[in-house]
Amino acid sequence: QLQLQESGPGLVKPSETLSLTCTVSGGSITSSGSYWGWIRQPPGKGLEWIGTIYYSGTSYYNPSLRSRITVSVDTSKNQFSLKLSSVTAADTAVYYCARCTVDYSYGMDVWGQGTTVTVSS
Amino acid sequence: QSALTQPPSASGSPGQSVTISCTGSSSDVGGYNYVSWYQHHPGKAPKVMIYEVSKRPSGVPDRFSGSKSGNTASLTVSGLQAEDEADYYCCSYGGSSNNFVVFGGGTKLTVL
Repeated sequence: QLQLQESGPGLVKPSETLSLTCTVSGGSITSSGSYWGWIRQPPGKGLEWIGTIYYSGTSYYNPSLRSRITVSVDTSKNQFSLKLSSVTAADTAVYYCARCTVDYSYGMDVWGQGTTVTVSS
Repeated sequence: QSALTQPPSASGSPGQSVTISCTGSSSDVGGYNYVSWYQHHPGKAPKVMIYEVSKRPSGVPDRFSGSKSGNTASLTVSGLQAEDEADYYCCSYGGSSNNFVVFGGGTKLTVL
């Protein structure tokens, strides 16, 4: 059974870089047709797509965050990661990683439990 | 990136039916039959309820159904049950050269 688990610091200072990792277990990150994405939910707000990557390295970013995002994949560790630079309080959110699969027409069928990141000095 | 438009709230009594709309554009909802719907209970991970406009993953009750007309997709929950109370989000594929994925703003479904 495929499972995803987010990890990373729960507190980040303003202007610094937020770094999160998602570990994939129970399956391979190189599985054909599986894309790997990051989604966040700020307090009291809705879900926001951040970015998605394929194991080949092809990535897709939310245009509103593109200048600050890097999503990367490490196939040897079965992990993918998110870096968000120059964070502000507006980046405080629950961050989820998820699998986006062509079997579900790019729908997200497996999600991590989410990790809370607070931006504060 | 503009979020898809959903009503902020919807409600119904147990046993009734409720429909939630999701309006996008020809670049997302109207351009692809790749709309999915997610149920989100506070503190838990979102769960996919519908994909490819109207398909249900294994284990999702057939009380949940989806449809699309033009740039608007809809989720209908029939025979409302207390456990259906949650936030619901639509999501559409936007093309590999555009916004790969875009979410709706979410609808809080209340079972009265």
